[in-house]
Amino acid sequence: RKEVEQDPGPFNVPEGATVAFNCTYSNSASQSFFWYRQDCRKEPKLLMSVYSSGNEDGRFTAQLNRASQYISLLIRDSKLSDSATYLCVVNADNYGQNFVFGPGTRLSVLP
Amino acid sequence: DADVTQTPRNRITKTGKRIMLECSQTKGHDRMYWYRQDPGLGLQLIYYSFDVKDINKGEISDGYSVSRQAQAKFSLSLESAIPNQTALYFCATSDGEQETQYFGPGTRLLVL
Repeated sequence: RKEVEQDPGPFNVPEGATVAFNCTYSNSASQSFFWYRQDCRKEPKLLMSVYSSGNEDGRFTAQLNRASQYISLLIRDSKLSDSATYLCVVNADNYGQNFVFGPGTRLSVLP
Repeated sequence: DADVTQTPRNRITKTGKRIMLECSQTKGHDRMYWYRQDPGLGLQLIYYSFDVKDINKGEISDGYSVSRQAQAKFSLSLESAIPNQTALYFCATSDGEQETQYFGPGTRLLVL
């Protein structure tokens, strides 16, 4: 089993739709969790960290379920500019050397 | 100006050649990383460095070596390039506190 797995995608949704991405991780010792966004042929950029209590940043909501080892990202009112690949990232320790990246889920928001 | 820069941005080389990819950062971060990205796969860690005197292997270090010339510079070398090293290579930095990683624009490498 891969350490971090994500919905295979691609997701094609109309503007204004709500879309949810799922991510599961295998290492129960994982300490911190992130969603990164990667545009085509560009570098990944941090979208948001994921906190135990869940957190929201505008149209984006991240949830963490440690018992199920599951992370989610919800995007409301999708914009064309949200089209990108979304990477789930898990850090299994506090020393910064064990960032594990999921393969990503590609989102296309259609006009 | 970009905080994390990589050179070259694109490189075509032949099997057996030695090449070096360079990374520089102006963020003042101690931690630097080299990753490769292949289509359909997540980023894979090649090497990481927490300071100039600290170099560590990642999950796929075979066939690669690194040099941390200064806090701001971290170079990746392919000693004898082979076609399955064709990939997109990213350098990243972090400050170790927030754990956020800041990536360079990437180097596209093609080994023929």
